[in-house]
Amino acid sequence: QVQLVESGGGLVKPEGSLRLSCAASGFTFSDYFMSWIRQAPGKGLEWISYISGSGITIYYADSVKGRFTISRDNAQNSLFLQMNSLRAEDTAVYYCARCFPTGEVDFWGQGTLVTVSS
Amino acid sequence: QSVLTQPPSASGTPGQRVTISCSGSSSNIGTNIANWYQQLSGTAPRLLIYSNSQRPSGVPDRFSGSKSGTSASLAISGLQSEDEADYYCAAWDDILNGPVFGGGTKLTVL
Repeated sequence: QVQLVESGGGLVKPEGSLRLSCAASGFTFSDYFMSWIRQAPGKGLEWISYISGSGITIYYADSVKGRFTISRDNAQNSLFLQMNSLRAEDTAVYYCARCFPTGEVDFWGQGTLVTVSS
Repeated sequence: QSVLTQPPSASGTPGQRVTISCSGSSSNIGTNIANWYQQLSGTAPRLLIYSNSQRPSGVPDRFSGSKSGTSASLAISGLQSEDEADYYCAAWDDILNGPVFGGGTKLTVL
């Protein structure tokens, strides 16, 4: 069965960096778009980035453009999110998700919490 | 301010039918499909409706989706206590060239 397991979250100071990872299993990883979607405490969902199966097509929301970098390693069935210049407003649960370029997410990970605070 | 507009809350009693709306524009719901997600308290969201009206396997047929013009709707019939959750719509937006979520609707079963 499809499994997505995030790791790498934690407490980081403002302007610091963090790298999130997502280990995928149960499907042919390279066949699918993958996304990072976040949810600030008590708030709604925000789609922040996606990457195509080949890694050629990449999208970033304006809120993270220039600070976050999405990447993938199809040989290792892994998705990554490098987060730099972190701000308090980046505090959220970050979900790894399998998706389609239609706004459809069919599988979600359990999420990893990132807290940006001094 | 979300690109897709949902009512912040909705409520109903067990057995009732409840409808949640998602209002967009010609650049998103008007030309692209709408999807719906359910998020139970403390858990990750799950896909509830895709391609406007399709249910993934395992989703009860009490849940249904529809789209008309630039709006989409989620209907829940025979409301049950376990349906108490947050519901989000989503669609691709051609102007932003990316996917967008609605702000979410908190459904309370009275």
